[in-house]
Amino acid sequence: DSGVTQTPKHLITATGQRVTLRCSPRSGDLSVYWYQQSLDQGLQFLIQYYNGEERAKGNILERFSAQQFPDLHSELNLSSLELGDSALYFCASSARGGPWAPRAFFGQGTRLTVV
Amino acid sequence: AQTVTQSQPEMSVQEAETVTLSCTYDTSESDYYLFWYKQPPSRQMILVIRQEAYKQQNATENRFSVNFQKAAKSFSLKISDSQLGDAAMYFCATGGSQGNLIFGKGTKLSVKP
Repeated sequence: DSGVTQTPKHLITATGQRVTLRCSPRSGDLSVYWYQQSLDQGLQFLIQYYNGEERAKGNILERFSAQQFPDLHSELNLSSLELGDSALYFCASSARGGPWAPRAFFGQGTRLTVV
Repeated sequence: AQTVTQSQPEMSVQEAETVTLSCTYDTSESDYYLFWYKQPPSRQMILVIRQEAYKQQNATENRFSVNFQKAAKSFSLKISDSQLGDAAMYFCATGGSQGNLIFGKGTKLSVKP
């Protein structure tokens, strides 16, 4: 058990809908990262939050947004969903950000299927 | 921008034998980490081994070791005494400037009994 909790584990929704994925980081970790894993794009970094503030952005679509709350849990919001958004979405946390972040602990992922 | 390349989409090894997975990378960071993650069918991303770029000594974790060639930007993973439970996707990754990870496409390792 990595200590990072993601809910839900599975999500099936229709095109055009909006969903929210939730992540609770390990106790004490301030940094949260979101990743998307799809067959064609592989594992891609989406966005990072550190202690409530957005710190870095990767290949995140404008239809996607995220936030980190005062209790440090994070939510990834995906809207106007398309079939191509079907993927495994991972959350990871680490004690701090920056190039010296020693390791990231991953949650078990949320499998999103858009039909 | 950082990139990570894994040139072997699939590899196979006999149980109890040794296998080496290849990885090359490119980064503009002067100091950075390199990682190998394992993803079994359960989908969980499990850290196998980590190497600090400023350390010359290659990292080892039990049956797992790396061959880190900084000048060549090469970071291969050696698995000794392969076990059935080692069968998984293996991802090489480097750390970005904000601590995010940049992953390679992965190598699918099969272990034959």
